[in-house]
Amino acid sequence: AQKVTQAQTEISVVEKEDVTLDCVYETRDTTYYLFWYKQPPSGELVFLIRRNSFDEQNEISGRYSWNFQKSTSSFNFTITASQVVDSAVYFCALSEAEAGGTSYGKLTFGQGTILTVHP
Amino acid sequence: KAGVTQTPRYLIKTRGQQVTLSCSPISGHRSVSWYQQTPGQGLQFLFEYFSETQRNKGNFPGRFSGRQFSNSRSEMNVSTLELGDSALYLCASSLDGRAHADTEAFFGQGTRLTVV
Repeated sequence: AQKVTQAQTEISVVEKEDVTLDCVYETRDTTYYLFWYKQPPSGELVFLIRRNSFDEQNEISGRYSWNFQKSTSSFNFTITASQVVDSAVYFCALSEAEAGGTSYGKLTFGQGTILTVHP
Repeated sequence: KAGVTQTPRYLIKTRGQQVTLSCSPISGHRSVSWYQQTPGQGLQFLFEYFSETQRNKGNFPGRFSGRQFSNSRSEMNVSTLELGDSALYLCASSLDGRAHADTEAFFGQGTRLTVV
């Protein structure tokens, strides 16, 4: 069965510090997708990135970067020069492509990491 | 384009009652999934609907049910409410609910249900 682990429950940093959120996943599928979502206090989950299992290229988007390493089943997320507006709960999630009907519409989430950025 | 809309935003119900939550997906999206978020269990998948059919179901008791209408709007119902059903219920819409390169799920702001 699939599983996503975010070992860091809470992280607290001061503005302008870099911070890395860890994500480790388990799946038996060879084709799968990994996601990061941000949940601000308003409640909705905001999509940040999707990465498929065949593409191990790292990605950078502004202050955000993602490091996907299949060898260690990790998909870590780094925020460079953090800002107070980055404070939120961040979720890593997994979607399997080969599980057929049992994968439809289903994301398996980690427990989330609460990031607090202090001014 | 309009995002995913969930109504109501907040609900307070009494144990034993039933409740219906509504979700309007993004226009053109035919898959709607529901999740329960609690501090203890995190985000857990309830079920997914596509073209008015439930295609996938999580590990929840039969008190949790749902349906989808021809316009892709979805409702979920919880009968005989228990205190433990207090949670944020999130719905997500996507094009077709399958994991592939062109799909990501977009979430609504959720309905916060409190059972007293």
